Order: sequence, then structure tokens, then C-alpha cells
Amino acid sequence: SQTIHQWPATLVQPVGSPLSLECTVEGTSNPNLYWYRQAAGRGLQLLFYSVGIGQISSEVPQNLSASRPQDRQFILSSKKLLLSDSGFYLCAWRGRNQETQYFGPGTRLLVL
Amino acid sequence: AQSVTQLDSQVPVFEEAPVELRCNYSSSVSVYLFWYVQYPNQGLQLLLKYLSGSTLVESINGFEAEFNKSQTSFHLRKPSVHISDTAEYFCAVSLFSGAGSYQLTFGKGTKLSVIP
Repeated sequence: SQTIHQWPATLVQPVGSPLSLECTVEGTSNPNLYWYRQAAGRGLQLLFYSVGIGQISSEVPQNLSASRPQDRQFILSSKKLLLSDSGFYLCAWRGRNQETQYFGPGTRLLVL
Repeated sequence: AQSVTQLDSQVPVFEEAPVELRCNYSSSVSVYLFWYVQYPNQGLQLLLKYLSGSTLVESINGFEAEFNKSQTSFHLRKPSVHISDTAEYFCAVSLFSGAGSYQLTFGKGTKLSVIP
């Protein structure tokens, strides 16, 4: 069966510090991968998606970036965090030619 | 472009009472429809989905949703709620496209609070 992992689970970072969040999927090959942010009262916002290694599409301009160095690994990064980057970050995967996205447990990020 | 409206941001309901969480969508093409549930500090879990076929879909824990094409709705119902149903529920739509990226568009969520 397929599983999706995210780490860390919780992160507290000062403004201006770098960020690296990791997402990995097991039990499937060549998935589509997604990063979402969930901020209080704002629902889920799609940040990035990837259809393959090295292929990243950005949905919202911001100071975040994403990379996919391996087939089942998706990384969300920032060089300098802003207060507005605080939120709950969710990774999701979808199998090829399938309709359903499955979500990871999330990372709670607090920027102080 | 599609959009999703969840009409109620919060729904309080007494235990063992019925509940309906409303979801309307707008799209000019056929869509897939989903309900996800999020418990506090957890990711989203798929509750049920409509892809095709029977317009009434059910989950394993007693929820059901009915696709109504004429009213562009996909309301979620449960005849008798339990304390453990307290969570936030998200309705989502995905464009039907064989070559597309199946992007999901989410509603803003409905917080269901079950009162003992």
C-alpha cells in the first residue's frame, strides 16, 4: 500500500531563516506531487505541483520554492522566511491517470 | 475555471442528530467531486468521492453525499452524528481531463462540532 510521510511535524523558525520541508511517498512510482499551505481562515492554497523529477510548476508567486530531486521526494524550501509563511503545509500525491489526491500528515510551521 | 462554495463555515449539532454540510460548485465541464475530513493537527483524509455512475456515494463511517448536476451540488449528510465526527470537512472539485493535471479546487471548509 502507499504511504506518504512529511517531516518535520512541527517547526518554529525565526524570520529570515531558511526552510526545508520534506515529503516522501512509498509504494508507488512516478506520482504527481503537490504542496499546499493551509493558513487560518484561508482554506487550502496550492503552492507547487510536480509531474516528474525536476519538473515543478508554481501556482502562487512567493518566496518559497520546490524541488523534486528523486521520483518520490518533494522538498519545499525558502532562503528567508517571512512571518506570513506561518501555516500548516500539506504534501499530497496522485497516481498516474488517477483522479484522487492523498495527503500527508502535514508540517506546522510557526515563523516568529 | 471551477469554484467551490461551502455555505456554512461552522455547524454545531447535537450527538445522534442528523447533519448536512452543503457544497456547491461551478464548472462549465464535467467534474469529479470529493469530500475530505481533517481532524485537528492532521492531514486531510479522503471521506468519499464521486467520479461517475450512481449519484449517491457512501463512506465506511456512515456519511453519504449525493451529486446533483442540475443544482451543481454535492452535499454531505449523516443521519446520526457521533462525537468522533467533530472535524473540519472540505469539499473539492477536480476537472475531468485525460491529459490534465487533475488540480483540486477546495472550498473553505466547514467545521462540524458535535455537542454531547
